[in-house]
Amino acid sequence: DVKVTQSSRYLVKRTGEKVFLECVQDMDHENMFWYRQDPGLGLRLIYFSYDVKMKEKGDIPEGYSVSREKKERFSLILESASTNQTSMYLCASSPLKAQEKLFFGSGTQLSVL
Amino acid sequence: KNQVEQSPQSLIILEGKNCTLQCNYTVSPFSNLRWYKQDTGRGPVSLTIMTFSENTKSNGRYTATLDADTKQSSLHITASQLSDSASYICVVSAYGGFKTIFGAGTRLFVKA
Repeated sequence: DVKVTQSSRYLVKRTGEKVFLECVQDMDHENMFWYRQDPGLGLRLIYFSYDVKMKEKGDIPEGYSVSREKKERFSLILESASTNQTSMYLCASSPLKAQEKLFFGSGTQLSVL
Repeated sequence: KNQVEQSPQSLIILEGKNCTLQCNYTVSPFSNLRWYKQDTGRGPVSLTIMTFSENTKSNGRYTATLDADTKQSSLHITASQLSDSASYICVVSAYGGFKTIFGAGTRLFVKA
């Protein structure tokens, strides 16, 4: 059974803290994506990666960075967390470069106080 | 502007009843449309994917329709079950796949 695993289901952080969200997939997919999901809005793409060490900005990259040191792992980094980054964060992987055939993790609900 | 609008925002139905969720889009040029189900506290899971040439696709009690001329899609759920309570998200991709727009979802509550 294919799997995308996000390391934390819930996180509570303080303003200004550096936050790491981890995502691991076991499907040998080259393409991985980070989204945030807010009430009343569709998923918005933050960053994506087509290969190891490679990253591309999505629609809302400000305040975020990413790291892809291994094919199976894609990390989202909040350099200095702010309250407006309180959100559900979803990681996905895909065998396709386009955002199609997405397999999602269970999400991390991040609260920044 | 590429947009995906879903209606209603939320819906309450009794177990065993049917329901239909709507998705209107302006994404162009159209490549494909997908419906996802997202249970509370979980990531979205794909239900159906439809390309330009397909106008109906079923997955068990879920049937999606697509009218590419009017740029509308619907997801029909037959004989609803309590486990159908979830958010249903419509996702549309432009040709070439490098632009994908997610709808805000319809929140469905099925009551016993």
